[in-house]
Amino acid sequence: EDQVTQSPEALRLQEGESSSLNCSYTVSGLRGLFWYRQDPGKGPEFLFTLYSAGEEKEKERLKATLTKKESFLHITAPKPEDSATYLCAVQDPRRDDKIIFGKGTRLHILP
Amino acid sequence: EAQVTQNPRYLITVTGKKLTVTCSQNMNHEYMSWYRQDPGLGLRQIYYSMNVEVTDKGDVPEGYKVSRKEKRNFPLILESPSPNQTSLYFCASRFQGPRQPQHFGDGTRLSIL
Repeated sequence: EDQVTQSPEALRLQEGESSSLNCSYTVSGLRGLFWYRQDPGKGPEFLFTLYSAGEEKEKERLKATLTKKESFLHITAPKPEDSATYLCAVQDPRRDDKIIFGKGTRLHILP
Repeated sequence: EAQVTQNPRYLITVTGKKLTVTCSQNMNHEYMSWYRQDPGLGLRQIYYSMNVEVTDKGDVPEGYKVSRKEKRNFPLILESPSPNQTSLYFCASRFQGPRQPQHFGDGTRLSIL
């Protein structure tokens, strides 16, 4: 069964303390991997799409990278406003209509 | 402003009383989808639509109905709601094709007593 696993489930960092979130997937023939940010009481907000191993995307303090079996979301010098749940999702290789979501990493940045 | 709009945002109702959650998008997206989000289970797809008059079941369709009569609207219907449908619901839309990101509404929190 195709799966997306995110780790850790939760992460608390001090402001300015860089770290990485992991998303590992078991789908064969990756057609696209997505990162979303979700704030409490809000819908997921799109951050990045990655497609091929070695690809990297950046946005402010966030950088997403992709290998053949996992993706990392690197957070550099985070600020309290980066606190959120970060969701990873992959395109189902057999169905254009389906995205497989991980359960997310809850990130809390302490001031 | 490009957005997906859901209504209502919050609803408390009773078992068996039919309800409809509306979803509308202004981005001319072909694809629309409904998800429910429960603690520990993540986002699960309920129904999706590839275009007008084309709908299909997702992973957890039992107890739900949808329709797609217009491109912009994709309502979720609970004909006879039950307490196990208490959840946070999200509507999403995107352009057709691979690697297209989904745009989500802000969610509807349903409580079925």
